[in-house]
Amino acid sequence: SQKIEQNSEALNIQEGKTATLTCNYTNYSPAYLQWYRQDPGRGPVFLLLIRENEKEKRKERLKVTFDTTLKQSLFHITASQPADSATYLCALDDNAGNMLTFGGGTRLMVKP
Amino acid sequence: GAGVSQSPSNKVTEKGKDVELRCDPISGHTALYWYRQSLGQGLEFLIYFQGNSAPDKSGLPSDRFSAERTGGSVSTLTIQRTQQEDSAVYLCASSLATGQLYEQYFGPGTRLTVT
Repeated sequence: SQKIEQNSEALNIQEGKTATLTCNYTNYSPAYLQWYRQDPGRGPVFLLLIRENEKEKRKERLKVTFDTTLKQSLFHITASQPADSATYLCALDDNAGNMLTFGGGTRLMVKP
Repeated sequence: GAGVSQSPSNKVTEKGKDVELRCDPISGHTALYWYRQSLGQGLEFLIYFQGNSAPDKSGLPSDRFSAERTGGSVSTLTIQRTQQEDSAVYLCASSLATGQLYEQYFGPGTRLTVT
C-alpha cells in the first residue's frame, strides 16, 4: 500500500543549528513533492515544490532534496530560529496528478 | 487579496445532529479540496472539486458525508447524524487547478466537536 512517513516524534534543536526533517514514501512515483508549514490552529502554508528531476531546491534558509531512488526527501532549515518552530508536512501527488497526499508531519521545536 | 475563508471557526454539536461547514476559496481558483485533521494527526483527504467536473469523493469516510460546490465557488461540507469520531478540524484548500504543480492555499479550518 502507499505510505508517506515522517518522523512523528518532535525534533528539538538549538537556535542557529540546521534542522533536517525526513519524508520517506513507498509505492508512489511522484513527479513533484511539496513541503508545507503548519502552525497550531492554522491551515498549512506552502513552502517549496521540488520536481523529480531536481535534486535540490533552495529558498532563503530552506533547502529541499529529492532522491527518487531512495524515495526520500530531506527538508533543511539552516540557521534555525525559534520562529521556525512549527509542524512541517510533506505532500506527494497521487500519480494521476489530481491531488496531494500528506504525510503526518514532524513538529520542530527551536530553542533559544 | 483575500485568502481562503471558512465558517464557522468552531462548531459544537450534539451527536446525531447534522452540520454544515462552509468554504470560500480564493477567487479564480478552479480546484477546491476538503481535508480532515484529527488532533496531532496528518491531513486526511476527503473530497476535491475541479471546475465543472464530477467531484472525486474517494476520501469520504461514510455516506453521512457529502459536499457540494455551487457555481464553481463556495463549497459546503455536510455531515449528517454526526458521531463523536467526526470531531476534528476540517480544512478547506483551493488551488489554481488540480495537479502537483499547483500549491494549495488553506483556510484556517473549522474545529468540529461532537458531544
